[in-house]
Amino acid sequence: QVQMQESGPRLVKPSGTLSLSCTVSGGSLSSTQWWSWVRQAPGKGLEWIGEMYSGGDPSYNPSLTSRVTISVDNSKSQFSLELTSVTAADTAVYYCASASGYARFDYWGQGILVTVSS
Amino acid sequence: QSVLTQPPSASGTPGQRVIISCSGSRSNVGSNYVYWYQQLPGTAPKLLIYRNNQRPSGVPDRFSGSKSGTSASLAISGLRSEDEADYYCAAWDDSRSAVFGGGTQLTVL
Repeated sequence: QVQMQESGPRLVKPSGTLSLSCTVSGGSLSSTQWWSWVRQAPGKGLEWIGEMYSGGDPSYNPSLTSRVTISVDNSKSQFSLELTSVTAADTAVYYCASASGYARFDYWGQGILVTVSS
Repeated sequence: QSVLTQPPSASGTPGQRVIISCSGSRSNVGSNYVYWYQQLPGTAPKLLIYRNNQRPSGVPDRFSGSKSGTSASLAISGLRSEDEADYYCAAWDDSRSAVFGGGTQLTVL
């Protein structure tokens, strides 16, 4: 059973960079999974941020693509999210997830609330 | 504004059957599989239905999914109090992105 856990700063200043990591246990990051990030603003719905297939090219939400980078580190069993030039609109619970197919998110982390505020 | 359209709320009494709709377009629901997620209060979403109508192991057969054209639906029969949650549909879009519905808050009266 794959388990996932997000980690990183919970408070980021406006115009700064949001950096999160997701540690994966019970599975290999080199397996046939897309390592994904999904966020949920307070009281709002789910928004796909992007994903990366180990050894492949990432795919990003078109509305975020200029600010997002997702990377995978097999040696640490982690994958990461960087979101630059953040504003209050980026305040959300950020989930990491593994997908075995397009939009098929089988396993999720518990989520981490990141607040953008000075 | 979400790419897929869901009703913001739905409700039913215990034992009833409730249907939640999800409307998209040819580039997402119309040409790719639909997935449904259940999000209980304060928790991460959980995969409920995959490939339009398949249930992962452990999901009760009270939950069923269907798709026709650019619309999909989730049916919950024999409604129970523990089904009170937010439900999201999702699909891959041919623009190379995953898209979600805005979510439906289900209340068990």
